[in-house]
Amino acid sequence: EVQLQQSGPELVKPGASVKISCKASGYSFTGYYMHWVKQSHVKSLEWIGRINPYNGATSYNQNFKDKASLTVDKSSSTAYMELHSLTSEDSAVYYCARSGTHAMDYWGQGTSVTVSS
Amino acid sequence: DIQMTQSSSYLSVSLGGRVTITCKASDHINNWLAWYQQKPGNAPRLLISGATSLETGVPSRFSGSGSGKDYTLSITSLQTEDVATYYCQQYWSTPRTFGGGTKLEIK
Repeated sequence: EVQLQQSGPELVKPGASVKISCKASGYSFTGYYMHWVKQSHVKSLEWIGRINPYNGATSYNQNFKDKASLTVDKSSSTAYMELHSLTSEDSAVYYCARSGTHAMDYWGQGTSVTVSS
Repeated sequence: DIQMTQSSSYLSVSLGGRVTITCKASDHINNWLAWYQQKPGNAPRLLISGATSLETGVPSRFSGSGSGKDYTLSITSLQTEDVATYYCQQYWSTPRTFGGGTKLEIK
């Protein structure tokens, strides 16, 4: 069974960084892209970017190019997203989701990030 | 960036009825279009990919159609468990972009 298990909710201070994890199981981790998606009340669903776990190649939405960094640890089948210089606008639920070359077919349960002093 | 527009942000339909949700892309996306269902507190669930291909386990009352820039998701014989928000998404080009969502409720 394919599963994407994300790390727990985060409460972080403005200006700080946070690193969210997404542990994959039930499939070949290096055989699928891993995407990250932001969901906020303001802008609904936004695609942040994707990483190819096989070689680490990344593709970012220009709107998140300086905000997010995507990495993977193949040894543990885990994808990571680090968000930098957090502001209140970064408060949202963040999802990881896998895909082949097409649609995102499995999603993590989401990680809530709240930015507050 | 390709903009995805769902013209209805809210629809109210009777149980057992039929509903059509529309999605318009700002450019041709060659049927590289997915539909997702999201229930409160849950992650989006992939229903349809390639504009018309139903994912395994999705009830046959769901169907997708369209081409070029214009796409639709249809639900027949509406059930209470279909109450959710539905999003379209194009994956023809990066950045992948989503529609604003259509919230479906029972009348």
